[in-house]
Amino acid sequence: EIVMTQSPATLSVSPGERATLSCRASQSVSSNLAWYQQRPGQAPRLLIYDASTRATGLPARFSGGGSGTEFTLTISSLQSEDFAVYYCQQYNNWPVTFGGGTKVEI
Amino acid sequence: EVQLVESGGGLVQPGRSLRLSCAASGFTFHDYAMHWVRQAPGEGLEWVSGITWNSGSIGYAASVKGRFTISRDNANNSLYLQMNSLRAEDTALYYCVKDVTFDSRGFDYWGQGTLVTVSS
Repeated sequence: EIVMTQSPATLSVSPGERATLSCRASQSVSSNLAWYQQRPGQAPRLLIYDASTRATGLPARFSGGGSGTEFTLTISSLQSEDFAVYYCQQYNNWPVTFGGGTKVEI
Repeated sequence: EVQLVESGGGLVQPGRSLRLSCAASGFTFHDYAMHWVRQAPGEGLEWVSGITWNSGSIGYAASVKGRFTISRDNANNSLYLQMNSLRAEDTALYYCVKDVTFDSRGFDYWGQGTLVTVSS
């Protein structure tokens, strides 16, 4: 099983600032990586797949990068609605595995 | 509009069984892989099981392998999860999830979940 490790566990930022979230895989997953946002009380929402492809309707302030074992999700200018928990996920091999999440807080 | 509506959750005793169902609409169900993902209270996301468009590939998390069985009925746009020998650690909100593609490439639509509580 591929282990996904996210850092930091909590990221404290101010509205308008840039946030960079990291995700590391225990072995190469090529570009088979997705990012999700989960707000309290809501189901997760797909943000990025194939490491850098934005989901339909996603604002351009979200961008994903990386390949192999190191990935990043960048939010260029945080809006109030962006404060949430973010998960990375690899789907290169089954079982699909998620990272433990990064909470982005004010 | 894509809709995924889960049902079948509830309170069940350890060792008993439960069958979850997911009714899908708003997309061509037989063209996409489908998955079950769960989230224990206050915890992160855990993939439980997945099934490709034609049931040709099926996978399970190690934690449920041998106890849970996923299946789909493309004629009736439905996804199922048969859960046997339930344990306290299976307590979670179970989401029905649509894949971006026919095999596995990210999960673009999620249901609202059905809560499974395993307790005596």
